[in-house]
Amino acid sequence: DTAVSQTPKYLVTQMGNDKSIKCEQNLGHDTMYWYKQDSKKFLKIMFSYNNKELIINETVPNRFSPKSPDKAHLNLHINSLELGDSAVYFCASSFGKEKPQHFGDGTRLSIL
Amino acid sequence: RKEVEQDPGPFNVPEGATVAFNCTYSNSASQSFFWYRQDCRKEPKLLMSVYSSGNEDGRFTAQLNRASQYISLLIRDSKLSDSATYLCVVNRRGSQGNLIFGKGTKLSVKP
Repeated sequence: DTAVSQTPKYLVTQMGNDKSIKCEQNLGHDTMYWYKQDSKKFLKIMFSYNNKELIINETVPNRFSPKSPDKAHLNLHINSLELGDSAVYFCASSFGKEKPQHFGDGTRLSIL
Repeated sequence: RKEVEQDPGPFNVPEGATVAFNCTYSNSASQSFFWYRQDCRKEPKLLMSVYSSGNEDGRFTAQLNRASQYISLLIRDSKLSDSATYLCVVNRRGSQGNLIFGKGTKLSVKP
């Protein structure tokens, strides 16, 4: 009965590879997010979708491409992974853009 | 000025102590305010929303001062389990209206 679930929990891969992270929420929320938390622990928003429509696209390299097949899912695909992509990626969801967000337990991405 | 600023700490306090965290925000039009906590290697979790009149939830009290653009969190009778990083969160008004997270204040409660 996990509210926001993301897979995989750990992802270790080599530079240059392409990888995807999946996120699903069963809370009935209409807005979903991707955040990156780097080694300095700063949590920074990357993307936000409201009812499958992209509403936030922060300054993120276009190697990162979110996809929302429906409002319960928001996946993140990353092309040509770089060392600087190593971080924890959190998915979150909420009712609307300004309401409290519920987070998944994170995907720890390590680039070798 | 950063959108949301917090003292990074760490705050090292004994069990039973009262500790207060402060946060300032730059956008005077912000309307939604929250405190989250994040345990080591875990996801952020909502601790409490912050209302204009101030609000309390057990040992936790949150205050908002709109004139000074300042938010506070007071923890009374600290427990070992309160050890975590506390994140101040403010909404960014405008067409996007997303939440902005502060870098967090680390609290360590010692026996």
